Amino acid sequence: DTAVSQTPKYLVTQMGNDKSIKCEQNLGHDTMYWYKQDSKKFLKIMFSYNNKELIINETVPNRFSPKSPDKAHLNLHINSLELGDSAVYFCASSQGGGRDTIYFGEGSWLTVV
Amino acid sequence: GNSVTQMEGPVTLSEEAFLTINCTYTATGYPSLFWYVQYPGEGLQLLLKATKADDKGSNKGFEATYRKETTSFHLEKGSVQVSDSAVYFCALTLSGSARQLTFGSGTQLTVLP
Repeated sequence: DTAVSQTPKYLVTQMGNDKSIKCEQNLGHDTMYWYKQDSKKFLKIMFSYNNKELIINETVPNRFSPKSPDKAHLNLHINSLELGDSAVYFCASSQGGGRDTIYFGEGSWLTVV
Repeated sequence: GNSVTQMEGPVTLSEEAFLTINCTYTATGYPSLFWYVQYPGEGLQLLLKATKADDKGSNKGFEATYRKETTSFHLEKGSVQVSDSAVYFCALTLSGSARQLTFGSGTQLTVLP
């Protein structure tokens, strides 16, 4: 069983569309994250949720809205997609204190054309 | 603030060569340190970790030792294989409510047969 799974893995869409990426973890973790990896492979946190509560919200356009229906799911909705949103988006999860290992999903490759 | 500095890539080695990828960090507290690996077209996988000074993390022939005095966590492998070709990320995380990983910029490793 995949521990952190996200769908879709690949997404090609036009500018201006709205899209969602879904994430689920079956590790029983209490914290979930979204990270963005740009074209230069640089990774940066976007959001973090702990027990469905938002605890980290980095400087991200408000076109990006995370939603956590329960602590096993953290979905990412993106409105009015722009070319610069093309990236790989990673969902992740962890349990316990801040130094616990963070486990990543396989990534969602988003291309905006 | 917290930051991670990795040696610039790309790194190209012949099979069975010795690998070192340097990583140094700055942190406001006492971090845990990680190496993640991203194989071509895949997501992030935890390679190894260390949570306190002088700990050595190891996995798949890779090793890294947490050196508090030099704030370093260099990745080493005695004999690389073609299958080790990937991007390697050094990262840290700190305890506290703001649980997140701070990543280095990644080092692309290519191993030639």
